[in-house]
Amino acid sequence: ETGVTQTPRHLVMGMTNKKSLKCEQHLGHNAMYWYKQSAKKPLELMFVYSLEERVENNSVPSRFSPECPNSSHLFLHLHTLQPEDSALYLCASSWASGGRSNEQFFGPGTRLTVL
Amino acid sequence: AQSVTQPDIHITVSEGASLELRCNYSYGATPYLFWYVQSPGQGLQLLLKYFSGDTLVQGIKGFEAEFKRSQSSFNLRKPSVHWSDAAEYFCALGGTYKYIFGTGTRLKVLA
Repeated sequence: ETGVTQTPRHLVMGMTNKKSLKCEQHLGHNAMYWYKQSAKKPLELMFVYSLEERVENNSVPSRFSPECPNSSHLFLHLHTLQPEDSALYLCASSWASGGRSNEQFFGPGTRLTVL
Repeated sequence: AQSVTQPDIHITVSEGASLELRCNYSYGATPYLFWYVQSPGQGLQLLLKYFSGDTLVQGIKGFEAEFKRSQSSFNLRKPSVHWSDAAEYFCALGGTYKYIFGTGTRLKVLA
């Protein structure tokens, strides 16, 4: 595997289900990100982990729970979601140092549908 | 306030025609700017980036972008569009961990 991979690619879940999205980066990076992409809206940054510590949490509802067990893996645990949470969830990675210039590499995304 | 504006939501061009996608930014210091492309069902792929130096930046797939500080713009160009360029294009302003993305421009290419 190369780059950033995400599983599953598609997920349909009911509002009472619990599921998890997985992201893995094979680039040796040490920062990882979750974004939400909804139709007709800019990409929304949800969470950032740098060196396995959460450094950004942009007012995301508690029904989304991230986990970063090591610098290569990032999870997004989902529970009691709402239909408006249906979106494409993108994972990205980058180097933690370098600040604003750090290029982010994106995975293909998980298309989530909440019924 | 920091922001990125992509004024065109949709653009349609004929194959072989030239292309320019507009991006305007608001930032108080030297911006770090990126253009990404997203094909249907895919993640974002970096086309090119500007940090400093030469204001004309070359990227992959024959794309280039010109940084114009006086106009706060970073427009993406391609001299001859191919059908495979049909996709959505995002301009982004780099921030420490926090990119600011534009809303995207969807490009349609007519055969």
